[in-house]
Amino acid sequence: GENVEQHPSTLSVQEGDSAVIKCTYSDSASNYFPWYKQELGKRPQLIIDIRSNVGEKKDQRIAVTLNKTAKHFSLHITETQPEDSAVYFCAGHNAGNMLTFGGGTRLMVKP
Amino acid sequence: SAVISQKPSRDICQRGTSLTIQCQVDSQVTMMFWYRQQPGQSLTLIATANQGSEATYESGFVIDKFPISRPNLTFSTLTVSNMSPEDSSIYLCSSWVGQGLRADTQYFGPGTRLTVL
Repeated sequence: GENVEQHPSTLSVQEGDSAVIKCTYSDSASNYFPWYKQELGKRPQLIIDIRSNVGEKKDQRIAVTLNKTAKHFSLHITETQPEDSAVYFCAGHNAGNMLTFGGGTRLMVKP
Repeated sequence: SAVISQKPSRDICQRGTSLTIQCQVDSQVTMMFWYRQQPGQSLTLIATANQGSEATYESGFVIDKFPISRPNLTFSTLTVSNMSPEDSSIYLCSSWVGQGLRADTQYFGPGTRLTVL
């Protein structure tokens, strides 16, 4: 089955700096890669996703890149703000129609 | 976006008892999923619930411990049976929801925080 690894597990940045979180996946059949943000005590919320026919996708300060050959994808947050502080999860989706989640990254943005 | 609700939002239970968690989606969906999220950890899939068939359980989870019902296309329940303190966790339901015939985004319910004493 799919295995998704996520790095780093914690990330501390200064407000205004960029943050990058990386994930690798094992199943070459995976074709959809969402990113979720989970604030303390709340449900995971989808913030951006990318499909295997696209190499990059951007939504304001958030971007995701996908390298299918290397089987890795990354989340980029620019001009970080304190409200970006949360746990971020990547996931891979394969033909089994299930998501496999990475271990999570706790992002702390220091004002 | 879809609206997925869960009941109860939290509960404190005694060991050896059972708790049933309800999940309601505001649209008809084919597949519903139940996840467990232990404190500070990622999301682990317990099982997939399809309407009209038995739930499919992931490795490490069994029907006797986590029986699931899926009586219609908008509702599912997960029961945590014969609970022990190790079952203390957040339980989340989720489903693929999309526009028209395309179900292409997975949304989560708010979760049920379970504490077993």
